[in-house]
Amino acid sequence: DAKTTQPPSMDCAEGRAANLPCNHSTISGNEYVYWYRQIHSQGPQYIIHGLKNNETNEMASLIITEDRKSSTLILPHATLRDTAVYYCIVRVENTGTASKLTFGTGTRLQVTL
Amino acid sequence: EPEVTQTPSHQVTQMGQEVILRCVPISNHLYFYWYRQILGQKVEFLVSFYNNEISEKSEIFDDQFSVERPDGSNFTLKIRSTKLEDSAMYFCASSVRRMNTEAFFGQGTRLTVV
Repeated sequence: DAKTTQPPSMDCAEGRAANLPCNHSTISGNEYVYWYRQIHSQGPQYIIHGLKNNETNEMASLIITEDRKSSTLILPHATLRDTAVYYCIVRVENTGTASKLTFGTGTRLQVTL
Repeated sequence: EPEVTQTPSHQVTQMGQEVILRCVPISNHLYFYWYRQILGQKVEFLVSFYNNEISEKSEIFDDQFSVERPDGSNFTLKIRSTKLEDSAMYFCASSVRRMNTEAFFGQGTRLTVV
């Protein structure tokens, strides 16, 4: 799976948008970008994923650059409960491979009042 | 909302003892996983399971580890002879299919080996 690079930490004021970047310059055509988060040693929680188009759900938006070498997770109105470690994971997906997730060290997002 | 359930939430065991960690995946899911997280470290993949057999396992998942789906609802991880370094949070996860889908994680079992 392609390696990802994320800043180790970020701060965001409550109510503002949190924009979490991820570099995955070696991504290949059959690799999806997944975002998960982990709130204080709880189980990881799925946020969103995409291949090349931008995606939006009730939690967040995922913006993937046209060359797919980087992406940004956007939490539109961050709350204190969004304080967590956010993981950007690139996973190859074809019928011949396993579907494990390879977690890095992620970005620790601190949302403040 | 459906969820993955893990029991117990915390288990303390003596070194050398066998432990079984239990998980109830989401009912219509077909793919099952175990991960672990040593305190302060990354979440690490252990094993994936589908159609009653292991699909993939990591180097961590040696002969001391085994998984089983003994009935239609439970998915277990057994550690035969625990070592101090097995102390970690163990997370079970499940997904409805292999690709292009989210995995749902349980809240974890904290295993402490003394």
